Amino acid sequence: SAVISQKPSRDICQRGTSLTIQCQVDSQVTMMFWYRQQPGQSLTLIATANQGSEATYESGFVIDKFPISRPNLTFSTLTVSNMSPEDSSIYLCSVARIVETQYFGPGTRLLVL
Amino acid sequence: SQELEQSPQSLIVQEGKNLTINCTSSKTLYGLYWYKQKYGEGLIFLMMLQKGGEEKSHEKITAKLDEKKQQSSLHITASQPSHAGIYLCGAVHGSSNTGKLIFGQGTTLQVKP
Repeated sequence: SAVISQKPSRDICQRGTSLTIQCQVDSQVTMMFWYRQQPGQSLTLIATANQGSEATYESGFVIDKFPISRPNLTFSTLTVSNMSPEDSSIYLCSVARIVETQYFGPGTRLLVL
Repeated sequence: SQELEQSPQSLIVQEGKNLTINCTSSKTLYGLYWYKQKYGEGLIFLMMLQKGGEEKSHEKITAKLDEKKQQSSLHITASQPSHAGIYLCGAVHGSSNTGKLIFGQGTTLQVKP
């Protein structure tokens, strides 16, 4: 398994501001992803965090709104930029080292006022 | 329509009873993942199925993949209050492991003591 931590665990932010969420894994992983879980909804993939290169975004998500960094094989950040109340969600990172497993972090609960 | 349909959406069972949750994909499956989520917490990885007819178990939880039907069923035997939570299926579609998970809407399980 993998031990994944996310910071912050929760935050309350004002609209128009930005928040950077960190994801740290206890060992090197090949794949890292960022997901969003809106209130009462299931998870939606935002992007694949690529080590040493630009992230790959899913339809409906853009780099200007959700810039992602992955400087090495154990760490990634997701920034939620110019926030609005619609960005209130749980943001989760996930990691995969081998095909058969994909583990999720505990999530960051974001409330935008 | 949803790429991944889960049924039922919610389930209330008496402790000790068996139950089944289904997950049907509208696209070719590379792999099918099952997770459990408790309110306010991250996702707990249960198991991943890849081959048709494959069956795996995690404690009293068993899941099977019917590749032809592109469907998986998750079966809990002798349910306990500790089984309560939201069960999510996630699918990697296509012919290779991109790691990109599409999730069903989830099944909320309540177990009455």
